[in-house]
Amino acid sequence: KQEVTQIPAALSVPEGENLVLNCSFTDSAIYNLQWFRQDPGKGLTSLLLIQSSQREQTSGRLNASLDKSSGRSTLYIAASQPGDSATYLCASRTLLTGKLIFGQGTTLQVKP
Amino acid sequence: DAGVTQSPTHLIKTRGQQVTLRCSPKSGHDTVSWYQQALGQGPQFIFQYYEEEERQRGNFPDRFSGHQFPNYSSELNVNALLLGDSALYLCASRLGQREAFFGQGTRLTVV
Repeated sequence: KQEVTQIPAALSVPEGENLVLNCSFTDSAIYNLQWFRQDPGKGLTSLLLIQSSQREQTSGRLNASLDKSSGRSTLYIAASQPGDSATYLCASRTLLTGKLIFGQGTTLQVKP
Repeated sequence: DAGVTQSPTHLIKTRGQQVTLRCSPKSGHDTVSWYQQALGQGPQFIFQYYEEEERQRGNFPDRFSGHQFPNYSSELNVNALLLGDSALYLCASRLGQREAFFGQGTRLTVV
């Protein structure tokens, strides 16, 4: 049974800092891993999708990496801004089931 | 492209009542999934529909049922509501095995 864990649960950093959010999963037989952003009370916005055959994906100030052998993914945010404050969720998907298994999220606060 | 749209955005129901939530997938998408997100938790998979049939189901009781229509839109029905059903209900759509996109959710409050 796939389990996804995100540590830390909360993070507070000053504006401009580079930071890394961690996601670990127990079953390496994933099809892809997706990172989402969620603002309070809102839906999920897809940030990056990494296929199992890929090692990383980049979009603007965001870079996500995937290491299947160690069961880890990281989301790197460069030069953080107050507008980056939100909850970040990672989710793994297997080809067989198609459903997304989510971590509990990391709530990020970027202070001006 | 309007993306994934859900209605209503907010809903208040009384224990024991029934509720129907609606979802229109992103244009071109054929697979719709529903998730329940309790406060402070990650979303939990309820079920997935493809070609108008339930293809997978998570660990939710039979009180939770759904439907997918020929135009790929979907409904989530919950019967005999419990206080514990209060949550944000999220709909996601995708085409085949591609990236999933989520709607803004329906906030259900059971009183």
